[in-house]
Amino acid sequence: DADVTQTPRNRITKTGKRIMLECSQTKGHDRMYWYRQDPGLGLRLIYYSFDVKDINKGEISDGYSVSRQAQAKFSLSLESAIPNQTALYFCATSDFLQGPQHFGDGTRLSIL
Amino acid sequence: KNEVEQSPQNLTAQEGEFITINCSYSVGISALHWLQQHPGGGIVSLFMLSSGKKKHGRLIATINIQEKHSSLHITASHPRDSAVYICAVLRDNTDKLIFGTGTRLQVFP
Repeated sequence: DADVTQTPRNRITKTGKRIMLECSQTKGHDRMYWYRQDPGLGLRLIYYSFDVKDINKGEISDGYSVSRQAQAKFSLSLESAIPNQTALYFCATSDFLQGPQHFGDGTRLSIL
Repeated sequence: KNEVEQSPQNLTAQEGEFITINCSYSVGISALHWLQQHPGGGIVSLFMLSSGKKKHGRLIATINIQEKHSSLHITASHPRDSAVYICAVLRDNTDKLIFGTGTRLQVFP
């Protein structure tokens, strides 16, 4: 089983819908991250969390919200999806600040 | 200007060739990461460097802090090395990575 699991892997939906992307991990890491990847751009940080009571905005948090339900679970929500949120979304974990990040397999999200 | 620049953007090679991918950055950093993104999309961490050189199998990563430059070398390249290689830096006094746009490598038999 994967250490960092993202669900769903693919999602097609319509403008205005609420969407939740889920991430769960079995690595026991405190730090969790949500990124989006667009063609021709580097990964960009949406939100990150260093423990259950700690949530921080990244560089592109507008239009997104997150929930850290437990150490192992970090969900990303799009309250009212718009087409320019079409992208590949990654969840990642790490066990210390300078440590390697462990990525999920990604969620390909298309908003029509 | 991006804070992390990679070159080349695209690279093709014949099996067996020695590959070099470069990463330059314009900010002070505490660590630099090299990542590999497979054609299916999955991302794997290859190296984390704060100084010097690291080697893992046919992969070698080096960093020159004074010149703000890192290189990823692949010796005896193989078609299974075909992927996008991503450089990311942890900026001083922050807790977030800044990513380059990646180098797409294709190795042909």
